[in-house]
Amino acid sequence: QVHLVESGGGVVQPGRSLRLSCAASGFTFSEYAMHWVRQAPGKGLEWLGMISHDGRNTFYGDSVRGRIVISRDNSKNTLFLQMNGLRVEDTGVFYCARELPTNMFAAFDIWGQGTTVTVSS
Amino acid sequence: DIQMTQSPSSLSASLGDRVTITCRASQSISNYLNWYQQKPGKAPKLLIYDASTLEPGVPSRFSGSGSGTDFSFTISSLQPEDIGTYYCQQCENLPITFGGGTKVEVK
Repeated sequence: QVHLVESGGGVVQPGRSLRLSCAASGFTFSEYAMHWVRQAPGKGLEWLGMISHDGRNTFYGDSVRGRIVISRDNSKNTLFLQMNGLRVEDTGVFYCARELPTNMFAAFDIWGQGTTVTVSS
Repeated sequence: DIQMTQSPSSLSASLGDRVTITCRASQSISNYLNWYQQKPGKAPKLLIYDASTLEPGVPSRFSGSGSGTDFSFTISSLQPEDIGTYYCQQCENLPITFGGGTKVEVK
């Protein structure tokens, strides 16, 4: 069974850092590009960034570029999202997602259950 | 950035009705358009990718069409389990962007 399980969410004060993890199982993790998506409370989906299958290339969305770092450890089948300088508006559910290996960029066929981050003083 | 405009933002339909959602891209995205369903408290689920390809295991009452800038998503006969919010997503170029969502309810 293909699974993605996020962890590391919680309540954090503005300006602090947090690292989220996404554990993959049931597939060859090193063959897939991976993404992070955020959903603010009651809002839509926002793409945060992605990492290539081998970890060599990363791309970030405008709203978080410079404040986040996406990395992966293919030996441990784990994806990471390091978030720095957290703001109240970063509050939301964070999902990791697997990209279909079809095009340069492609649909997300597997999603984790999400982990909630609340930024509050 | 490519802007994705979805309409309507919400709709109410009867069980068995045909439901159509549209998505317009601010520039041509060829067929790099995907549709997701999200139920409350759950992660999004991929239904259709590359504008019209049904993800394995997804019921055939779901379909998608379009290319360039204009796309549509249809549920041929609305079922109770189809209630949720639907999002389009373009993956033609970075940053990947989503439409604002369409909330589907039963009348």
